[in-house]
Amino acid sequence: AQKITQTQPGMFVQEKEAVTLDCTYDTSDPSYGLFWYKQPSSGEMIFLIYQGSYDQQNATEGRYSLNFQKARKSANLVISASQLGDSAMYFCAMREGADDKIIFGKGTRLHILP
Amino acid sequence: GAVVSQHPSRVICKSGTSVKIECRSLDFQATTMFWYRQFPKQSLMLMATSNEGSKATYEQGVEKDKFLINHASLTLSTLTVTSAHPEDSSFYICSAPYDGYTFGSGTRLTVV
Repeated sequence: AQKITQTQPGMFVQEKEAVTLDCTYDTSDPSYGLFWYKQPSSGEMIFLIYQGSYDQQNATEGRYSLNFQKARKSANLVISASQLGDSAMYFCAMREGADDKIIFGKGTRLHILP
Repeated sequence: GAVVSQHPSRVICKSGTSVKIECRSLDFQATTMFWYRQFPKQSLMLMATSNEGSKATYEQGVEKDKFLINHASLTLSTLTVTSAHPEDSSFYICSAPYDGYTFGSGTRLTVV
């Protein structure tokens, strides 16, 4: 079974609109961390935001926020006021328990339209 | 922030030859390095975890003899693709669990 599920292979959004990228996860470990990364065409992995399983508040970083719904095992990324430069591949990832390795979802390709 | 320098960024090699990819932590000591492979339009798949001073841990289905990983020092981890074939053509990227997770810039390997 997939640990990280991203159900949107691709999305097209008008510039300046907000966009939500979906991510659901599967773990039985009470301690885990969730990450979102942006990967432009150059291939580099750009860290966007992190949410720990015990964090009481939803994480925010500038235009990025994470809509963490623990009971639903959902960790959606919200990008406010999208920009053309936001066009990229976006990956949700998870670290479980004491294990340092992180596992990635299949990603969502986001296209921002002018 | 922390930097992992990965080289080469691109390499083209002939089928049957070996290719070495280096990941070097520039301003921190990386006792662990994760190696991922990414095929076009796909996700990052964890191949193995290298640990300084001990044998690497490979994920299920990854050939240990084909993908040799060495973590000789606290600042250097290498992945050698031995006897490369066209199906090994992929994007390889390393990551150290430091300052969150610090990724190298990736290596695009093309085997012809």
